[in-house]
Parts: sequence; structure tokens; C-alpha cells
Amino acid sequence: EAQVTQNPRYLITVTGKKLTVTCSQNMNHEYMSWYRQDPGLGLRQIYYSMNVEVTDKGDVPEGYKVSRKEKRNFPLILESPSPNQTSLYFCASSLSGTAIYEQYFGPGTRLTVT
Amino acid sequence: RKEVEQDPGPFNVPEGATVAFNCTYSNSASQSFFWYRQDCRKEPKLLMSVYSSGNEDGRFTAQLNRASQYISLLIRDSKLSDSATYLCVVIKSSARQLTFGSGTQLTVLP
Repeated sequence: EAQVTQNPRYLITVTGKKLTVTCSQNMNHEYMSWYRQDPGLGLRQIYYSMNVEVTDKGDVPEGYKVSRKEKRNFPLILESPSPNQTSLYFCASSLSGTAIYEQYFGPGTRLTVT
Repeated sequence: RKEVEQDPGPFNVPEGATVAFNCTYSNSASQSFFWYRQDCRKEPKLLMSVYSSGNEDGRFTAQLNRASQYISLLIRDSKLSDSATYLCVVIKSSARQLTFGSGTQLTVLP
């Protein structure tokens, strides 16, 4: 089944404790992206990657890191999480940079930082 | 001003009603437009593209007004299953990013 998977789906952590949210797609998509969704603010892009070893900042990259060492994986790293990073996070992929309009989203990761 | 703005609603309509949402965008360089649908606590999914000439997909019609910088989504004969949040999405011509609106919540009542 073609899909984007994220782990964990739910995470409660404390301020400053490094964490990684994994994202994996099995569709051989070139483009991958991370978003956060907050009430009233909609989906905001954190980082995106056009292909392996190519990553760029989105609209809200502060406090996050990513890497794209393999085509299928695009982990999101929070080196020192803070309460304002409490949010619903989505990973997404699309076939290529020219077809980014059709994003396939993962099921989401609900993160709470206390 | 936000780059993409939507009326958050909620819109509560009876089954069978026709409902329309607008979405305004501020950047005239915006090139491509889309509607996504997001069910409660689920991931967004592409609903339809928006073409300059307007386009229809069953009960759904999407239109673009470049002069006034807005896109619209019309749903005819609403079904209970249409209850969701509808997100408008804008892509600038040279961009590799999507800009999402914050969504309009629709509830179709029996």
C-alpha cells in the first residue's frame, strides 16, 4: 500500500529533551516536507527536501532540523524542544518538485512539550 | 496580512444545501491553486485543482478570480460525508512550497 508513515503518532516530552520524529514513504517520491498545524494558523511548512541531500527552510524552521540521507526517509529533529513547539506535525511527500501540488500526507504526530 | 485567508466558519448547513467558500490570496505572483480536504484529526488530502476557466468534479465546482485574487469552492447537494475542513492552497510560480489557508470548517446536518 502506498503510504507515508510517521512515528511516533503521539509524544509527550519535557523541555530540552532532544527528540526525533521519523517519516518514511514507499512511493519513491522525490519531494518531502514537514508541516506543523496549529489552531487558527493552518498548516505551516517547516522544512522541505527536493531530493536526497537537498533540504531547504520553509516558513517556520526555527528550532527544527532535518536530514535527507535516503530518498524514502525524512526525519524531523527537535534538538531542544520548547512548549511553543507543541503542535500537530505532518510529513508529506510528492512525486517531484513539479508536482508538489499533490502532497500525500502522513497520519500526523501530536507532540506535547511540557 | 496573511498570504492566504479563509473564513474559518463553522458553516452549518442542512443536507442537500448548496454552500460556497471563498479564499483570498495576497500575492499576485501566485500561480497555482488547489483545494484540500481535512477530516477531523486526520491528514489533509487533495480535493481538486482550480483552473482559470473554472472546473467541476461531480458536486464540486472550483473557480478562480485573478482580478480580485480569490478562489472559491461550491458544493451542491451537500452530503453528511462532506463535513470536514476545506483548505485552500496556493503555489507561487517559482516556489517549491505550498501555502495553506487555515481552513473553513463545514458541518452538514441531517
